[in-house]
Amino acid sequence: EDQVTQSPEALRLQEGESSSLNCSYTVSGLRGLFWYRQDPGKGPEFLFTLYSAGEEKEKERLKATLTKKESFLHITAPKPEDSATYLCAVYTDKLIFGTGTRLQVFP
Amino acid sequence: NAGVTQTPKFQVLKTGQSMTLQCAQDMNHEYMSWYRQDPGMGLRLIHYSVGAGITDQGEVPNGYNVSRSTTEDFPLRLLSAAPSQTSVYFCASRGSQETQYFGPGTRLLVL
Repeated sequence: EDQVTQSPEALRLQEGESSSLNCSYTVSGLRGLFWYRQDPGKGPEFLFTLYSAGEEKEKERLKATLTKKESFLHITAPKPEDSATYLCAVYTDKLIFGTGTRLQVFP
Repeated sequence: NAGVTQTPKFQVLKTGQSMTLQCAQDMNHEYMSWYRQDPGMGLRLIHYSVGAGITDQGEVPNGYNVSRSTTEDFPLRLLSAAPSQTSVYFCASRGSQETQYFGPGTRLLVL
């Protein structure tokens, strides 16, 4: 059965303290992996798409990487405005979402 | 471009009532979908449409109906609301790429 698991469930960081969020997956026929940011009371906002192992994408303090079994979202020197829930989703013939990592960054 | 819009933002229903959640997109996307989001669970697909006049069931379709008469609109109907349908509902659309763009959501409370 296709499965997507995100860890940790919650992460508290001090401003400037870099860390990584993990998205591991067990699917057949991966066609793409997506990262979304979701703020409270809002819809998911698209961040990155990764298509093949070894691929990396960057946007401001965020960098997403992909291997054959997992993806990481690296956050470098986070700021309080980076606080949100980060969702990972894999695309096979359908889109399967993980349950997200709730990130809190404190000043 | 407004992107994907949803109305209402919040709704309270009594068990057995029916209602329609509205979704519209102005990006000329062929693919549209409805998800529900519940605490501790990932977004789950309810119904989707690959174009006007074509709809299909997702993972959790029971209790919901959809139709797609135009490219822009994709309403979700709750036939007889149940407390188990208390959730946050998101509409999404997708163009030729696989990236889906989500609306702001509708929070539904069924008493």
